[in-house]
Amino acid sequence: AQSVTQPDIHITVSEGASLELRCNYSYGATPYLFWYVQSPGQGLQLLLKYFSGDTLVQGIKGFEAEFKRSQSSFNLRKPSVHWSDAAEYFCAVGAATGTASKLTFGTGTRLQVTL
Amino acid sequence: KAGVTQTPRYLIKTRGQQVTLSCSPISGHRSVSWYQQTPGQGLQFLFEYFSETQRNKGNFPGRFSGRQFSNSRSEMNVSTLELGDSALYLCASSGDPNRGYTFGSGTRLTVV
Repeated sequence: AQSVTQPDIHITVSEGASLELRCNYSYGATPYLFWYVQSPGQGLQLLLKYFSGDTLVQGIKGFEAEFKRSQSSFNLRKPSVHWSDAAEYFCAVGAATGTASKLTFGTGTRLQVTL
Repeated sequence: KAGVTQTPRYLIKTRGQQVTLSCSPISGHRSVSWYQQTPGQGLQFLFEYFSETQRNKGNFPGRFSGRQFSNSRSEMNVSTLELGDSALYLCASSGDPNRGYTFGSGTRLTVV
């Protein structure tokens, strides 16, 4: 069964500082990996995704993530955080079959940005 | 391009009642999935529909059901509501599940 672990429940960073959110997954085959962001009371917005190929993927809002198969990790990074990045971030793994019809989410990391 | 539309945004129901939530996917998207989000359990997969057929189902009791219409719009129904059904219900659509899903803003269901 697939699973996702986000070890950090809550992270606080200063505006302008760099950010790394951790994600570890468990899946028997090649995973499809996603990062979503959720603002309070809102749905999920896709930041970036990995299916195959280049292990460093670029997303929206200046985010990037690196897939490391040997560590079963897909950490999200941003070189300089903005106050508007404060939100909850979810890592998800999808079944890498012809119909990747189910996402398994981590428990999320809440990001607080101090000015 | 319009996004995924969920109605209503907020709903308050009494225990024992039933409720129907609606989701209109992005035009051209044939796959629609539903997720339940609660503080205690996080995001959990309910079911997925593709071309009016349920293709995948999560581990929820039979009180939770859904369907998809020929225009890809989807509804989910919860019967005999329990307090624990209070949650944000999210709908997501995709033209190609391998490319990820676009989520709606959700329906906040409160059971009292």
